[in-house]
Order: sequence, then C-alpha cells, then structure tokens
Amino acid sequence: AQTVTQSQPEMSVQEAETVTLSCTYDTSENNYYLFWYKQPPSRQMILVIRQEAYKQQNATENRFSVNFQKAAKSFSLKISDSQLGDTAMYFCAFMIREYGNKLVFGAGTILRVKS
Amino acid sequence: KAGVTQTPRYLIKTRGQQVTLSCSPISGHRSVSWYQQTPGQGLQFLFEYFSETQRNKGNFPGRFSGRQFSNSRSEMNVSTLELGDSALYLCASSLGPLYTFGSGTRLTVV
Repeated sequence: AQTVTQSQPEMSVQEAETVTLSCTYDTSENNYYLFWYKQPPSRQMILVIRQEAYKQQNATENRFSVNFQKAAKSFSLKISDSQLGDTAMYFCAFMIREYGNKLVFGAGTILRVKS
Repeated sequence: KAGVTQTPRYLIKTRGQQVTLSCSPISGHRSVSWYQQTPGQGLQFLFEYFSETQRNKGNFPGRFSGRQFSNSRSEMNVSTLELGDSALYLCASSLGPLYTFGSGTRLTVV
C-alpha cells in the first residue's frame, strides 16, 4: 500500500526562525516524485517544492529545502526565516510515475508562524 | 496566464439530489484530476482524465463519476448525495507531474 505519514498535526514557530516538518512514506516502487504543498485559508493548494526520487541532491526553493533520505523513506521540509505568510496547512505527497498523475497525500501539518 | 477555474465555489444540496461540479484547466493542460478533501479522510484521489479518457480512478463508489470534454474542461457528478459527501472538491490540471490546483468547490449536503 502507498501511504504518507505526517506525524506532527500542528507546529508553531516564531517569525524569522527555522522549522522542520516531518514526512515519511511507504512504497515499493523505485521511480516516483515527492512534493510538499501548502494550503492557506484561501483553500488553494500551492506547490512548495518537489523532489525526484532518482536525484540524490536535495531540492531547494529559496527559503524552502528538503532532506530526502530515500533508504529511510523520509522527506522532511525545512523552512528558514519563517514569515507570517507561511502560516498554512502543509501536505506531503508522492506520485508514482507508472501510475499516472495520482497524488497520495499525508494528513497534513498545520503550521502557525507567530510574530 | 489564467489558472485552474472551478465553479461554483460553494454549493448546498439536499440528501438524495445530484450535483455537477466544473473545472476549467490551464490552457494546454490535457490532464485533469479530482480530489475530495474532508477533515476525517483528508485528501483522496477521485479520478484523472486525459484527452477525454479516464486514465486513473480512486476508490470511490459509482455515484461519483466524471468526464472530460474536447477542450479539456472537466465535470464531476455525484448522484444520490449523502451527508458524508460534504467536502471540498479540488480539481487540478497538469503538464506531466506538475499539478496546478483550483480553489475548490465547497459542497455541503443537508
């Protein structure tokens, strides 16, 4: 079964500090993509960062970076210099290439950035 | 460029009725996927359409159906609505593995 586990239902961080959101996943496939999505109160899911499983180098996008540990099936998201606008629900997800465009999501982590 | 447009934004229906939701993808995107989001079950994949054909289907009852038109616009239909169908329904269009989501349709069944 393909599953994604986000073990932190809620997290808080002070503005300008760094926070790490955890994600583990389970699949027997070898060729897949991993994603972090952000869903603010506006409801629209926004892609934060993605990682291709065959790439060993961790992806980065400005203040967002991941720690991808393929053997451990772990894919954590680090947000540096947290901003109030980062307050949102964050979802970890993966997509297996052979299965087409189907995302499997975790339950999400609510992140609150405090001033 | 225009994003993914879902209509309507909000909908209230009575149990037993049927409902149709619409999704207009980004121009040039031929794949459209639908997801149901509820507090209890989270985000669950409903189905994916590509070039008017259903390419992938999630584990939902036959009351949930969809279609895609030649202009890539997609509709999903839920018949014989149940209270448990109350959810946010998200549509996403994609070019390869990169999704762009719409803002969703909030369906409330009373």
